[in-house]
Amino acid sequence: SQKIEQNSEALNIQEGKTATLTCNYTNYSPAYLQWYRQDPGRGPVFLLLIRENEKEKRKERLKVTFDTTLKQSLFHITASQPADSATYLCALDIWRNTPLVFGKGTRLSVIA
Amino acid sequence: NAGVTQTPKFQVLKTGQSMTLQCAQDMNHEYMSWYRQDPGMGLRLIHYSVGAGITDQGEVPNGYNVSRSTTEDFPLRLLSAAPSQTSVYFCASRGPGNYNEQFFGPGTRLTVL
Repeated sequence: SQKIEQNSEALNIQEGKTATLTCNYTNYSPAYLQWYRQDPGRGPVFLLLIRENEKEKRKERLKVTFDTTLKQSLFHITASQPADSATYLCALDIWRNTPLVFGKGTRLSVIA
Repeated sequence: NAGVTQTPKFQVLKTGQSMTLQCAQDMNHEYMSWYRQDPGMGLRLIHYSVGAGITDQGEVPNGYNVSRSTTEDFPLRLLSAAPSQTSVYFCASRGPGNYNEQFFGPGTRLTVL
């Protein structure tokens, strides 16, 4: 069956360090992979999208990699801050107008 | 743009009651969907729609009905609420073209007693 896994349910990291979150999938050939941030009591908010033919994408302190051979995406937050504390979700985008498939998320806590 | 709006924000129902969760978007998006989110379960797709008049089931459709009479609105109906439907419900929409970001509403927290 189709499966998407975010390896850590929770991740604690010291302020200023780089946080690395992992998203693995099986039985898919996604065209795109998306990352979202969700704060408590709120809906997810889109952060970044990376295409299957892109190895890496950056946006300010965020970096996403996409390895279609390993079936894995890594999400990095450099110089992490307490304000980065949230749950981060990855989502596979298989085809136009088909539902996004979400992982369960990783709850990141950045400790000052 | 208001984006994706949902009402109500909170709701308490008794077992067997019915209700409709409202969702609207003002971005002229064709694609809309409903998710429920439970602790440890992540976002699970209930129903989705690729345009007015077209709906399809997601991963957990039982106990829920939807209709899509306009592009803007996508209500979710609970016909006979059960305690297992206690959850946070999110409505979402996506733009036209290929592989666009999804916009989520603020959510409805539903408790069924």
